[in-house]
Amino acid sequence: NAGVTQTPKFQVLKTGQSMTLQCAQDMNHNSMYWYRQDPGMGLRLIYYSASEGTTDKGEVPNGYNVSRLNKREFSLRLESAAPSQTSVYFCASSGSGRVGPDTQYFGPGTRLTVL
Amino acid sequence: GDSVTQMEGPVTLSEEAFLTINCTYTATGYPSLFWYVQYPGEGLQLLLKATKADDKGSNKGFEATYRKETTSFHLEKGSVQVSDSAVYFCALSGSTGGFKTIFGAGTRLFVKA
Repeated sequence: NAGVTQTPKFQVLKTGQSMTLQCAQDMNHNSMYWYRQDPGMGLRLIYYSASEGTTDKGEVPNGYNVSRLNKREFSLRLESAAPSQTSVYFCASSGSGRVGPDTQYFGPGTRLTVL
Repeated sequence: GDSVTQMEGPVTLSEEAFLTINCTYTATGYPSLFWYVQYPGEGLQLLLKATKADDKGSNKGFEATYRKETTSFHLEKGSVQVSDSAVYFCALSGSTGGFKTIFGAGTRLFVKA
């Protein structure tokens, strides 16, 4: 079991460029999440998908779009990157399991710098 | 809305010292409470959880008790090790149904040999 995987691990963009962050999980979880982590601010939810075929906005959705491609994959797109989007992005999933459906499993993160 | 407040860091301790990281929460319903740990360069991972009042979660020598009367879930460990150096996040989930999780800002712990 790979758990939650994210690509790429690091990315540098120029202002205005676009990119897609990829996330996949192999735990058959229904729910998936995208967070950003900034110093002193903990994790803030960008978007989430409670189940395949549904997506909803989180706390900080502006400037982002998501696609729940299938049960395994949940991608995050930046259409026109801005320096304020410099952050570490984490994908997570949750579902049935020994530790309960409300426990989240995290990927290793993507460090994004927008110049 | 729901929120989690935890003590600011960094916290610096010597090996074998006692650790407490305070966490309080605000929630309209009956959430599950969690401590997640983040080691350098990694994503968060579950450390322990408690699902109802007076439950004690424990793992790897860490403990936390769900105190509904004080809306707290403080993390404790009797004797820390250098390998415990990490960032610790208090979190809640499921206050009003669903599994969205609210995280605290995180507390960085440094343990010196």
